[in-house]
Amino acid sequence: KAGVTQTPRYLIKTRGQQVTLSCSPISGHRSVSWYQQTPGQGLQFLFEYFSETQRNKGNFPGRFSGRQFSNSRSEMNVSTLELGDSALYLCASSSKLDRGRRETQYFGPGTRLLVL
Amino acid sequence: DQQVKQNSPSLSVQEGRISILNCDYTNSMFDYFLWYKKYPAEGPTFLISISSIKDKNEDGRFTVFLNKSAKHLSLHIVPSQPGDSAVYFCAASVMNRDDKIIFGKGTRLHILP
Repeated sequence: KAGVTQTPRYLIKTRGQQVTLSCSPISGHRSVSWYQQTPGQGLQFLFEYFSETQRNKGNFPGRFSGRQFSNSRSEMNVSTLELGDSALYLCASSSKLDRGRRETQYFGPGTRLLVL
Repeated sequence: DQQVKQNSPSLSVQEGRISILNCDYTNSMFDYFLWYKKYPAEGPTFLISISSIKDKNEDGRFTVFLNKSAKHLSLHIVPSQPGDSAVYFCAASVMNRDDKIIFGKGTRLHILP
């Protein structure tokens, strides 16, 4: 079974631009979560999507948004990029169906975004 | 406010000895805890978890201990091997609530030859 894939792997943008990152979950997984990893803050939860609906949201500004398609693939968008948005963006999928059920999250390799 | 804290940014351990990685949490509602391991240029991989109804969970060389009264958990790796050199993330969540997984900042483990 193929793992979680993320594209692109590396990206360089300038301040003020916008960016869209893509995540393809493991086949059959309907839950997709996004995280931001920075050296100072570790892994921070951005949002979770399940069946095309945002189910959870972290404490990030509205410039960060996402969506999920009917095939469970998800995209994350960051508008008006700031220098501080430079980070590794990780996507994770799980087969979790209901709240409270413990299903392992499987992470993709991440997209490393550099904002200049 | 950091709800999950890993106070040691890095740890060096001799190969063959025990590695102990610590994690503290502040939210008493957390009832499920996980450890993830991350190599450079790869996403984190799930290592081991523990529910709050237990105080110990073992899987091969990895054991996680939970002390609810102290709001503390630890991951023991015995014996430590070179391939264990990685960043280890502690994480916690609340079942039947928003299910968000809160991660610590990670501890970089170096296994010395």
